[in-house]
Amino acid sequence: AQSVTQLDSHVSVSEGTPVLLRCNYSSSYSPSLFWYVQHPNKGLQLLLKYTSAATLVKGINGFEAEFKKSETSFHLTKPSAHMSDAAEYFCVVRAESNFGNEKLTFGTGTRLTIIP
Amino acid sequence: NAGVTQTPKFQVLKTGQSMTLQCAQDMNHNSMYWYRQDPGMGLRLIYYSASEGTTDKGEVPNGYNVSRLNKREFSLRLESAAPSQTSVYFCASSEGVWRNTEAFFGQGTRLTVV
Repeated sequence: AQSVTQLDSHVSVSEGTPVLLRCNYSSSYSPSLFWYVQHPNKGLQLLLKYTSAATLVKGINGFEAEFKKSETSFHLTKPSAHMSDAAEYFCVVRAESNFGNEKLTFGTGTRLTIIP
Repeated sequence: NAGVTQTPKFQVLKTGQSMTLQCAQDMNHNSMYWYRQDPGMGLRLIYYSASEGTTDKGEVPNGYNVSRLNKREFSLRLESAAPSQTSVYFCASSEGVWRNTEAFFGQGTRLTVV
């Protein structure tokens, strides 16, 4: 079984300040983890993914995330927020199992608001 | 390049009506998925097709049927629409169902059942 918890449903930051979106996961097996972004009335776009290589993963638009197995976390960060970062962000887990595959499990999302 | 294409983008149905949501991908992916997105609930898997010729239920399959028409196309059918099926529906595809493969999403279909 697998699950993912996004700890904040809504985060507001000022333009130019750091962004932190928190995600914890639960998995019986070695997981892959993903962050997706959804801009208003759009589909989901992959920001970055962790698949058991480097624990610090760099994605598009200056975002990065660090896989911490001891804390079962995969928090998303960006050093300096831009107005165009305003969107909803989803943390997603997929784990390997004895059955050979697992479905993607989504968190409930974090809405990021950027204050001018 | 189109990626994943869904039709229609918007639809309003009356309770009890039926309709089919269409999805096609041009990335030669083996696996395809249908999700629904509701406020505060993230995306929930309705059905998926790990490969051409196979389909399996996801978390919330009741009230839906699917057809994997060929490798490119995966349709979702509502036989008798209910207000509880008002949602945004997303189709997605991936190379396979193994753990390191990400999914690519369509733009969504906003469905309202009145």
